[in-house]
Amino acid sequence: RKEVEQDPGPFNVPEGATVAFNCTYSNSASQSFFWYRQDCRKEPKLLMSVYSSGNEDGRFTAQLNRASQYISLLIRDSKLSDSATYLCVVRRDTGNQFYFGTGTSLTVIP
Amino acid sequence: NAGVTQTPKFQVLKTGQSMTLQCAQDMNHNSMYWYRQDPGMGLRLIYYSASEGTTDKGEVPNGYNVSRLNKREFSLRLESAAPSQTSVYFCASKPGQGAQPQHFGDGTRLSIL
Repeated sequence: RKEVEQDPGPFNVPEGATVAFNCTYSNSASQSFFWYRQDCRKEPKLLMSVYSSGNEDGRFTAQLNRASQYISLLIRDSKLSDSATYLCVVRRDTGNQFYFGTGTSLTVIP
Repeated sequence: NAGVTQTPKFQVLKTGQSMTLQCAQDMNHNSMYWYRQDPGMGLRLIYYSASEGTTDKGEVPNGYNVSRLNKREFSLRLESAAPSQTSVYFCASKPGQGAQPQHFGDGTRLSIL
């Protein structure tokens, strides 16, 4: 079983829509969680860390459900510039390794 | 701010050739990483260095070697390139052990014929 699993999509949504992505992780020892954004042929860039109580950054909201071992990302009022691949990243409490999902592709349509 | 710098940006090799990918960071980070990204596979860890003077294998280390030259620099070497090593390679760094996120370089696109 993969350490981190994401629905690859693609998600095609109109401007202004709300879209949500989920990501599941297999190891209950996972302790740190992140969402990264990757544009085509570019490097991954940190979008936001995910905290136990959930957190919000402008139009973006991240949630963590430890009991069900998944994290989510909600994007409100989608913009054309939100079109990208969103990567779910998990780190265990031991060791120094990060585990990446394969990414979810989002296209926001005018 | 340069952040994480990778060289070269692009490279084409023939099977059997060797080369070294360079990575340098100017953020005084302790931990550095090398990943490869292939279609449908996500980023996979090749090697990492938790601190200067230490290196450890990741998920896919075969065919690669690394050197943590100093705190700033972490190089990845392909001794005898194979077509299966055609990929996009990313270097990343983070301040230390713990929950901080990683910062990535802009990648090296490597093709092996």
